[in-house]
Formats: sequence, structure tokens, C-alpha cells
Amino acid sequence: AQRVTQPEKLLSVFKGAPVELKCNYSYSGSPELFWYVQYSRQRLQLLLRHISRESIKGFTADLNKGETSFHLKKPFAQEEDSAMYYCALRANTDKLIFGTGTRLQVFP
Amino acid sequence: DVKVTQSSRYLVKRTGEKVFLECVQDMDHENMFWYRQDPGLGLRLIYFSYDVKMKEKGDIPEGYSVSREKKERFSLILESASTNQTSMYLCASNDRVKDTQYFGPGTRLTVL
Repeated sequence: AQRVTQPEKLLSVFKGAPVELKCNYSYSGSPELFWYVQYSRQRLQLLLRHISRESIKGFTADLNKGETSFHLKKPFAQEEDSAMYYCALRANTDKLIFGTGTRLQVFP
Repeated sequence: DVKVTQSSRYLVKRTGEKVFLECVQDMDHENMFWYRQDPGLGLRLIYFSYDVKMKEKGDIPEGYSVSREKKERFSLILESASTNQTSMYLCASNDRVKDTQYFGPGTRLTVL
């Protein structure tokens, strides 16, 4: 079965601390993985996709097929990073399967 | 800029009422989606449509139906609203070239 697991509902860090939001997936084929973010009072939007291998707002995510993970990382968290983060998997269709989300709180 | 709009930000209905949630996108996208967003459950796909008059059930279609008569508009229908359908409903359309889903602002539906 195709599944995305985000084990942490809430992650709290202080400004300047490193951040890692965990995402594990279950899919037998070649997955496409994404991170979407929802800031307070804003709509859900794409943060980054694994195929682009890009860094957005200081965030990076590496697809580890051996561990079936796609963890989101940032070396130094900022207060404006506080948001809800969703990991998503696209199998061989246009549908996305979302995880349950992790709320990141960055304290000053 | 892609625009996905939803007809209402907040809606309060009574049990048993028929409810229509409208979604419009202005980028000529073929694929459109309806999700519900609940705390601790993330986003769950209700229905999606890959072309006009084409629809496919998602993971939780029970109690819902959809309509796509025009490419830009995708409607979610609650035939007889129930309290367990109180939720945030998100519409999205998909840009295949950019491989990105664009979301509407959401409709918070409360069923009393």
C-alpha cells in the first residue's frame, strides 16, 4: 500500500537551532516526493520537490530510497519557518498521497 | 499567477441539508482535486477529476459527490450533510508541467 508517515505531530525548536522534519514512505516503485507548507492564514503551497534537488528558504530534502525517507532539513531555523509541513508522495498518477503533517514551532 | 478560488471561506449548515462547495481555477488545468483537512489526519482525497465530466473516487468519497461541467469549475456536493463532515475543505488544481498542485484558500464547513 502507498503510504506517507510523518511521525511527529509537533516539533518545537528555538531560533537558530537545526530542524529535521521526518517523512517516511511506502511505495514499491519509483516515487516522486514533495514537501508542502501552510503558513498561518495562508493557503497550502509547494515548498520543494525531490526531483529538483533544490534548496528553498534554506530547506533541503534528500530522497533516501534505502531507508524510504525524505526528511526535510534546515541548519538554522527562523521564526518565520513556523508552519504546518506536509510530506506528499506521487505514485504513477497525478494524485498525491499526503502525510498527517508536522507543525513546526520556532521560538525566539 | 495561478488562482484557485473557493466560493466560501466559512459555511454553517444544518444536518440533512444539501451543500455545494464551488472551486474555480483560471489556468486551464486538466486535473482538479477535493480534499478534506482534519487535525491529526492530514489531507485526505475525496474526489478528483482529470477532465470535464470525468471523475474518480479518492480515499474517502462516502457522503460526497462531484460535478465538473466546465474545465475551470469543480464542485463538491454533500447530498445530506452530517456532523462528521464538519471540516476544512481544500480544492486544488494540478500543473503537470510544473508538477505542482495549487490550492485554494479552503472552506471551513460546520454542520450543526
